[in-house]
Formats: sequence, structure tokens, C-alpha cells
Amino acid sequence: EVQLVESGGGLVQPGGSLRLSCAASGFNFNTYEMNWVRQAPGKGLEWVSYISSRGGTIHYADSMKGRFTISRDNAKNSLYLQMNSLRAEDTAVYYCARELYGGIDIWGQGTVVTVSS
Amino acid sequence: DIQMTQSPSSLSASVGDRVTFTCRASQSISNYLNWYQLKPGKAPKLLIYAASSLQSGVPSRFSGSGSGTDFTLSISSLQPEDFATYYCQQSYSTPRTFGQGTKVEIK
Repeated sequence: EVQLVESGGGLVQPGGSLRLSCAASGFNFNTYEMNWVRQAPGKGLEWVSYISSRGGTIHYADSMKGRFTISRDNAKNSLYLQMNSLRAEDTAVYYCARELYGGIDIWGQGTVVTVSS
Repeated sequence: DIQMTQSPSSLSASVGDRVTFTCRASQSISNYLNWYQLKPGKAPKLLIYAASSLQSGVPSRFSGSGSGTDFTLSISSLQPEDFATYYCQQSYSTPRTFGQGTKVEIK
């Protein structure tokens, strides 16, 4: 079964850090581009970051540049999102997501990040 | 950045209705347009990619059209499980922006 499972979410104080992980299974992870997408409470979907299949190309949403770092370990079938200098507005469900033909065809169940003092 | 604008923001419809909603890009994105369905507490589901290609497993009552800046998603006969929020997303360039969503509610 094709699956993405996120972990690492939780409660963190403003200015703090978290590292999200995503474990992929059921497909050849190293051949797919990957993304992180988030949804804040009561809000719509917001694209966060993209990484190419081998990790050579990376993009971020403007509000995450310099604070978030996406990475992947193809040997471990894993995707990561290091989040630093967290703000209240980063509170959201974070989804790990596989890209195919430009669309995101596989999504994880999401991990909740809450930034609050 | 490319802005994606969906309309309407919400609509009320009945089971069996045909519904259509639109997504407009702030600049041409060719056919790099995707549609997703989102239900509370669930992960988004890809319905349409490349503007008009039906994702595997998605019922044929869903269809997409358009190119350039104007796109539509249609549901030919609304079913009870289709009441949800629908988002468009451009994959022409980064940031891969989403529209603000169209919520389909029961009339």
C-alpha cells in the first residue's frame, strides 16, 4: 500500500524549533518529487515547500524562506521539514505529499503543529 | 507569485444537481492546474490534474476544463459524499499556490 506517515508535530513556544518527518512506503520514493503543505485552523491549504527526487532542487513559500529547511534521505525513504523561529501563524496541520504530473496524488494523514506560549 | 482566485467561495446545491465552479490564475499557467477535494479531518484528495485529466479512482461525474488563466471544475450529478470544499492549485511555478476554496453545501 502506498503510504506517507508524518511524525514530529507537537506544541512549541514561539521562537522554538520542530523537525517533522515523513516515512514513505509502498512506492519508489527516490523517483518522486515531494512537498509539504499545511492547513491552519479554519483556513485553506497553503503550499510550504518542494524538493526534487534527488534533492537537487528546493523551493519554499516566501513566508518560510530562511526559517524552514526541507530535506530527504532516499536511503531511508524519508522526507523532513526542519522548522525554526516558529510563529503563532505557523500553527497548522502539516501534510507530507507526493507529487505526480504536477499534482499531489498521495497525502499523509497530517501532523499537528501548535505554536503557543 | 501567481495568485489563484476561486469563485464562488461557497454554494448550496441539492443531490443530483450539476455544479460548476471556477478558478482564475493571475497569469497564464497553460494547463498546470489541479483540483482537490477536502473534507474535515481528512487529507486532501486529488481529483483532476493537468486541468482536465481525471485522477485514477475518481468518479467520472467530476470533470475539469480550461487553459491559460481560466479553469472550471464540474460535478455532473452531485452526490451526498461530494459535499466538501474544493481547491485549485497551480503547478506552473513555485510557490505552488492554492485558491481560497469553494465550499459546496447541502441546499
